[in-house]
Amino acid sequence: ILNVEQSPQSLHVQEGDSTNFTCSFPSSNFYALHWYRWETAKSPEALFVMTLNGDEKKKGRISATLNTKEGYSYLYIKGSQPEDSATYLCAFNSGYSTLTFGKGTMLLVSP
Amino acid sequence: NAGVTQTPKFRVLKTGQSMTLLCAQDMNHEYMYWYRQDPGMGLRLIHYSVGEGTTAKGEVPDGYNVSRLKKQNFLLGLESAAPSQTSVYFCASSLAEGMNTEAFFGQGTRLTVV
Repeated sequence: ILNVEQSPQSLHVQEGDSTNFTCSFPSSNFYALHWYRWETAKSPEALFVMTLNGDEKKKGRISATLNTKEGYSYLYIKGSQPEDSATYLCAFNSGYSTLTFGKGTMLLVSP
Repeated sequence: NAGVTQTPKFRVLKTGQSMTLLCAQDMNHEYMYWYRQDPGMGLRLIHYSVGEGTTAKGEVPDGYNVSRLKKQNFLLGLESAAPSQTSVYFCASSLAEGMNTEAFFGQGTRLTVV
């Protein structure tokens, strides 16, 4: 069983704050790293799929970086808004047919 | 384009009863997955399929069976439900070219076993 760790478990910030979370994964046999956004009562939706060391991806105020050699990825949210409140999941693929998910970081953004 | 559709959305079972959860996708995806989500545990893979007629065990397969008779459907069966199977079940699908493409999730099925 692959070990995918996310930190922090939860985070509470004020509107306008910038924040970041970490996903740690095995540095060997890397194939892809996924980030998903999961709103309460909805299903997870993909934010990014990253495959190359040094990848940086951006979607609006959200961006992610990838370091496959040391086994971590950061997700950044600039100027958090209440609608950013969700659980953010990362998932690791080592070249087989499945993803191993972390337990997620729960973000709450207060107005 | 409906994406991934799960039925039912909610169900309450008595211990020992059986049921089947249906997952349907209209994106012509080869890969389909069943996960369960429990508090503090994240998403854990139950079974998966890499194509029509094929299935494989995931991390927590015990107590479940699956079938993929048609490419667009992936069924999850509980033969004799137990309270430990109380959970939220998510189906997902993805393209065949490995996992460097995103997974698409259904809306989930909340199952309670009493």
